[in-house]
Amino acid sequence: AQRVTQPEKLLSVFKGAPVELKCNYSYSGSPELFWYVQYSRQRLQLLLRHISRESIKGFTADLNKGETSFHLKKPFAQEEDSAMYYCALHLRNFNKFYFGSGTKLNVKP
Amino acid sequence: KAGVTQTPRYLIKTRGQQVTLSCSPISGHRSVSWYQQTPGQGLQFLFEYFSETQRNKGNFPGRFSGRQFSNSRSEMNVSTLELGDSALYLCASSLIGADTEAFFGQGTRLTVV
Repeated sequence: AQRVTQPEKLLSVFKGAPVELKCNYSYSGSPELFWYVQYSRQRLQLLLRHISRESIKGFTADLNKGETSFHLKKPFAQEEDSAMYYCALHLRNFNKFYFGSGTKLNVKP
Repeated sequence: KAGVTQTPRYLIKTRGQQVTLSCSPISGHRSVSWYQQTPGQGLQFLFEYFSETQRNKGNFPGRFSGRQFSNSRSEMNVSTLELGDSALYLCASSLIGADTEAFFGQGTRLTVV
C-alpha cells in the first residue's frame, strides 16, 4: 500500500543552522514525489518536485530509491522558512496525492 | 491568472444537517480533487473529478459526495453531519499528466456543533 511517513511533527532550529526534514515513502511503482509548504494563514503551495531537481528558496530534495526517501534539506535556515511542510506521493494514474502528516519547522532567531 | 477559489471560507452547522462546499478551479484545469485536513489525520484524499466524472474515491463514508459541472467547477456535499466532520476541506485543481502540480484553494473551515 502507498504511504508517506514524516517522522518529525516538530523541528526547531536556530537561524543559520542546517535543516533536514525527513520523508520516507512506500510505493511499488516509480514514485513522483513533491514537497508542499503551508505558511501561516496561507494556502498549501508547491515547494519542489523531485523530477525538476531544482533548488527553491535554498531547499533541495533528492530522491533515494534504495532508501525510499525524499528528505528536504537547506544548509542555512531562515526565520521566514518557519511553516508546515508536507511530503507527498503522486499517483499519476489516479491523479491522487498521498500526503505525509507534516512537519512543523520552527526557525528561531 | 486567478487561483483556486473555495466558498464559503467558514461554515458552522449542527449535527444532522447537510452542507455543500464549492470550488472553482484554475482556468483550464479539468481535474478537481478534494481533501480533508484535520489535526489528527492530516490531509486525506476524498475524491477526484475529471470531465464531470468521479474517477477516484478515498475511504470516506457515502455521506460524502461530490459533483463536477461542465465548466469544471466542483461541489462537495456532506449529509447527516457528525461532530467528527469538523475539518478544513481543501480543493485542488490540476492538469493531467506526469509530475503534475496540484494547486490548492484556501479551504473551507467546517465546524459541526
